[in-house]
Amino acid sequence: QKEVEQNSGPLSVPEGAIASLNCTYSDRGSQSFFWYRQYSGKSPELIMSIYSNGDKEDGRFTAQLNKASQYVSLLIRDSQPSDSATYLCAVRWGEEFYFGTGTSLTVIP
Amino acid sequence: GAVVSQHPSRVICKSGTSVKIECRSLDFQATTMFWYRQFPKQSLMLMATSNEGSKATYEQGVEKDKFLINHASLTLSTLTVTSAHPEDSSFYICSAPAIEGTYEQYFGPGTRLTVT
Repeated sequence: QKEVEQNSGPLSVPEGAIASLNCTYSDRGSQSFFWYRQYSGKSPELIMSIYSNGDKEDGRFTAQLNKASQYVSLLIRDSQPSDSATYLCAVRWGEEFYFGTGTSLTVIP
Repeated sequence: GAVVSQHPSRVICKSGTSVKIECRSLDFQATTMFWYRQFPKQSLMLMATSNEGSKATYEQGVEKDKFLINHASLTLSTLTVTSAHPEDSSFYICSAPAIEGTYEQYFGPGTRLTVT
């Protein structure tokens, strides 16, 4: 059984702070990892992809992958109210993607 | 960036009728597309993988005779919900991997189905 787990939150951070989102997965054979942002009533939007251990930075976003611990995280620096959304972690096994239940983030002005 | 469209964005139908949802890749070809369903406050659940030129692959528990998938071309996949019932009301989203080798998926805007 392949599982992707996230803390559902809600996670609240003040504007300008760092938001830290975490995700664990069950299968060591997973190959690719993704973070999506989903606003209420909208479809997910790709934020970051990461394929190898370590950190990957893109603007205010940093994805961190630790395959040994089966753990992937997303850091959002200088959080803005517009970052308030549900963040979905996705893991690829073969041709299929499995999503976590998402973490609801609220950035308080 | 890669764009995936869906049509319609919203549909309301009566119980017992069938509804077709279209998913198109607008600026790239997609031999594979994915269909997801999302209930309120829940995550995306993969329903099936649509394959151009061959039968779709359905996830366990998804009725293939109820959710008909046709991948008619390299840019179009359709999902038909047959004999819809109120419990089929959900947000249906398709996606396609846009960039060969990266497996980054791009999602369509979704279709909100309400069965009355």
